[in-house]
Amino acid sequence: EVQLVESGGGLVQPGGSLRLSCAASGFTFSAYDMHWVRQGTGKGLEWVSGVNSVGDPYYSDSVKGRFTISRQNAKNSLYLQMNSLRAGDTALYYCARAPEPDPDYFHFDLWGRGTLVTVSS
Amino acid sequence: EIVLTQSPGTLSLSPGERATLSCRASQTVRNSYLAWYQRKPGQAPRLLIYDSFRRATGIPDRFSGSGSGTDFTLTISRLEPEDFAVYYCQQYGNSPAAFGQGTTVEIK
Repeated sequence: EVQLVESGGGLVQPGGSLRLSCAASGFTFSAYDMHWVRQGTGKGLEWVSGVNSVGDPYYSDSVKGRFTISRQNAKNSLYLQMNSLRAGDTALYYCARAPEPDPDYFHFDLWGRGTLVTVSS
Repeated sequence: EIVLTQSPGTLSLSPGERATLSCRASQTVRNSYLAWYQRKPGQAPRLLIYDSFRRATGIPDRFSGSGSGTDFTLTISRLEPEDFAVYYCQQYGNSPAAFGQGTTVEIK
């Protein structure tokens, strides 16, 4: 089955760190650009970060310098290391696949169900 | 940065009725690169439409997309019970990509 499954969410204090993972199955993971998209409570969807098939990352301005995206193609896995977390980072984080490789112009043809990150003291 | 405004916020309709959802951009969306997604509680979002009018794989033909420039529409010709959900538009013709705030289609 073609799917993405996120994990690693939880409760963390402001200033803390968390690492999210996304396990891909049912398709050739190494061939696709992969992304993280989030949705805060009562907020719209927001693109967070993406990585191309060979590991070159790109970030939204809101997380640049704090979050690091990476992938391990041999393990069909995508990661998001989140540091210096803020209350505004509280959201459901989705892993998503882009059908076309492009660092600037992308949409998503496959999503996971998300993992919840709560930043609170 | 493009801002997408979806209307209405909530659409209350009965099964079998036609649903028309609007997505308006603050600037022209290059190449009409606009997508529509469906999201149900506890489920992964699903791509319905991309490039403003192309149906994604496996999407029933009751879903159709149209529009260009700054005005885009998702139409569901006859609502099925499984179509009651939240719908989001996303533009990807201009960087950064941006999403609308969503339209909820609820059972009347």
